[in-house]
Parts: sequence; C-alpha cells; structure tokens
Amino acid sequence: DAGVIQSPRHEVTEMGQEVTLRCKPISGHNSLFWYRQTMMRGLELLIYFNNNVPIDDSGMPEDRFSAKMPNASFSTLKIQPSEPRDSAVYFCASSFLGPNTGELFFGEGSRLTVL
Amino acid sequence: KQEVTQIPAALSVPEGENLVLNCSFTDSAIYNLQWFRQDPGKGLTSLLLIQSSQREQTSGRLNASLDKSSGRSTLYIAASQPGDSATYLCAATGNQFYFGTGTSLTVIP
Repeated sequence: DAGVIQSPRHEVTEMGQEVTLRCKPISGHNSLFWYRQTMMRGLELLIYFNNNVPIDDSGMPEDRFSAKMPNASFSTLKIQPSEPRDSAVYFCASSFLGPNTGELFFGEGSRLTVL
Repeated sequence: KQEVTQIPAALSVPEGENLVLNCSFTDSAIYNLQWFRQDPGKGLTSLLLIQSSQREQTSGRLNASLDKSSGRSTLYIAASQPGDSATYLCAATGNQFYFGTGTSLTVIP
C-alpha cells in the first residue's frame, strides 16, 4: 500500500494568498484527519471526516480555513487568505473505522511557510 | 476532555541502555493506545497499537504496556541504539485520537 499521500510537501507563499493542501488516504480507510503541528502548540486536530462527512471541525481555527472530502480517496484543506501565523506542518492521517477501533496512519506532511 | 501527558519531554541516554517512556491519560474510557515515532521533518510512524482488551504489545526491541485503570501506558525500548533517536508520541483513542506532546529521545553513541 502506498500509505497516506500528501501534496505539496513544501509550500512557500505570501500573506493573503490562497493555499490548498491535498491528501489521498489509504485505500479502504473511511476516516480522515487533518492535523497541524507547530513547536509551540504541538499536534492539533483541525477536522475529522468519517465516510466523507465532517464529524468534528471544532479545531478549525477560523473561517479562513475550510476542508472538503468529495470522495473516499481525496481531501483538501484550504486556507484563504493565508497569514504568517498559519506557518506550520499540516498532516493528513487516515484510519479504518475511526478512533474507537482503528490504527492511525500519517502522511509525510505539508510544510507551509507564509511570508 | 481527554488529556494526555508525556514525561519527560526530553531524554538523553547512552547507547545500549534500556529505557522507559511514559504516557498518562485522564479518562480511562479509551478504546486503544497507540505509540508513534517521529523523525525530524517527517510524519508520524505507527509503532504499536494496544487495544483496550490487551495489556501489552511487542515488536522487536519495543514493548508497550497499557493499564487503563491507572491511566498509564509505557513504551519500553531495550538495548537502545543511536537510530532510536526521535520523538515518541502516544495517542489515546476515544471519540478521536488524543495526542501527548511527545518525548524527544537522544541515544548517544
């Protein structure tokens, strides 16, 4: 299995620009998670999908952030407009059946720098 | 809300030493406890998953134990090697995966 695939691996953009991060979960997994990791705040859950439906988006910082999962094999996390404080590593992770039974697998992450 | 704590935040040991990493959680009503390893600039790699009905799991030099009643899990690393240097995170699972802040391990040759 190819594992969780994220793109781009690195993104440098200027404040105010739109950023789109992409994720392909492991085939057969029905739960998908977006996390943000910084030195100051550690690993934070942004949003969690189950069967393509958002279950918990309480971690999404503000309206500038949005996430979609149009089908079982693709998800996007969009930041518009981006700000320097959004600079972080964004991880996508997937699981079969979700947190109550499944093992969580991470992608390599997308490192975002907003200037 | 579930809170997961990992102490110490950093640990430095000489090569060959056996060591224990600790993970504590506040709500014992968890489904699983999962241990991860993270190398600098990389994603999290799953090491061991202990389901709630289990007490421990082993993989090579790694052994993880789970005591739900006391809200604790430990990761035991035998005969540590420089290649074990990384950050180790634990996650307790309930409605979502609740992560600790990790223990940064350095194994000195």
